[in-house]
Amino acid sequence: EVQLVESGGGLVQPGGSLRLSCVVSGFTFSSNWMSWVRQAPGKGLEWVANLSQDGSDKSCVDSVKGRFTISRDNAKNSLYLQMNSLRAEDTAVYYCARDPGFGLDVWGQGTTVIVSS
Amino acid sequence: EIVMTQSPATLSVSPGERATLSCRASQSISSNLAWYQHKPGQAPRLLIYGASTRATGIPARFSGGGSGTEFTLTISSLESEDFAVYYCQQYSNWPPGPPWTFGQGTKVEIK
Repeated sequence: EVQLVESGGGLVQPGGSLRLSCVVSGFTFSSNWMSWVRQAPGKGLEWVANLSQDGSDKSCVDSVKGRFTISRDNAKNSLYLQMNSLRAEDTAVYYCARDPGFGLDVWGQGTTVIVSS
Repeated sequence: EIVMTQSPATLSVSPGERATLSCRASQSISSNLAWYQHKPGQAPRLLIYGASTRATGIPARFSGGGSGTEFTLTISSLESEDFAVYYCQQYSNWPPGPPWTFGQGTKVEIK
């Protein structure tokens, strides 16, 4: 069974940091691009970043450039999102998803990040 | 950045009726379009990719069409489990490539 399980969310003060993790099972993680997508309260889906199979190629949305870093550890079947200098507008449910190049075909259940003082 | 615009924002439909959702891209994306269904508290679910190809396990009542800048998702006969928010998303290859962008969503609600 294909599974993606996110963790690492929580309450953090503005300016703080969090590291999200996504552990994958049921498919060959090292053969797939992966993405992070978020949904702020009452808003729609927003793609955040993606990363190639070997970690050499990555992209992200302008609003997180210089603050968020996507990475992976293929030996641990894990995807990460290091989030620094967090702002209130980063409050959202964060999902990891497999990114095969024709949409995002498998998603985790999400982890909630709340940025508030 | 390619902007995706969905209409209507809300669609009120009775069970058994047909629903047609629209999605427009700000520039041509060929057929590089996906549709998702999203229910509260659940992971989004890929319905359609390549504008018209159903993802694995998706019922035949869901169909997608269009190319270039204009796209549609049709649910031929709504069932109770279909009431949800639907998003389109472009994944046009470089150039311009990422960022992938979503439409703002269409909520399909029970009439």
